[in-house]
Amino acid sequence: GESVGLHLPTLSVQEGDNSIINCAYSNSASDYFIWYKQESGKGPQFIIDIRSNMDKRQGQRVTVLLNKTVKHLSLQIAATQPGDSAVYFCAENSGTASKLTFGTGTRLQVTL
Amino acid sequence: NAGVTQTPKFRILKIGQSMTLQCAQDMNHNYMYWYRQDPGMGLKLIYYSVGAGITDKGEVPNGYNVSRSTTEDFPLRLELAAPSQTSVYFCASSYSETGPETQYFGPGTRLLVL
Repeated sequence: GESVGLHLPTLSVQEGDNSIINCAYSNSASDYFIWYKQESGKGPQFIIDIRSNMDKRQGQRVTVLLNKTVKHLSLQIAATQPGDSAVYFCAENSGTASKLTFGTGTRLQVTL
Repeated sequence: NAGVTQTPKFRILKIGQSMTLQCAQDMNHNYMYWYRQDPGMGLKLIYYSVGAGITDKGEVPNGYNVSRSTTEDFPLRLELAAPSQTSVYFCASSYSETGPETQYFGPGTRLLVL
């Protein structure tokens, strides 16, 4: 069936470097994508979203890129900080009622 | 605004017991959702609601029931707890009129069934 998946389960990045977390999706009809950050013991926290009529969106230190041709989504974090250590999920809108389909997540580890 | 609140934070149940996980939001969101998250996994949708009095099944509804009598509250009921229901449960809400919108999550309820 349709699914959202992530390429790397764990990503280690040195403090100050840029991080790139990737996500592949298979539902070509998806029109909305979200990145969430989940710290240990907490609920997912919204980071940034993008709609399918865009290919790039920037926030504070974060950028999401959408490549519909290859069904690929990425989250870029600039100047990664220790507080960025968490599990990052991409999610896609799966049609009605704003339902989201989540990937399994990528753990970002920031080393000093 | 408190956002999305969930109670209890943690609960241990014996097999066959029942319980209700509470969820409330004060953002006047029309859509609400229940997810479960197993260790090292993503979130799976259990049930959702598009407004008071309307609920529908998600991906993994078996063993659960929900009700939505008010806009604010969306309780999740486990009737006969089973070890397979050991998980972390997240409630979320969103506001939608014209299309998909961001879901905001509560802090979660950790459930252990022994």
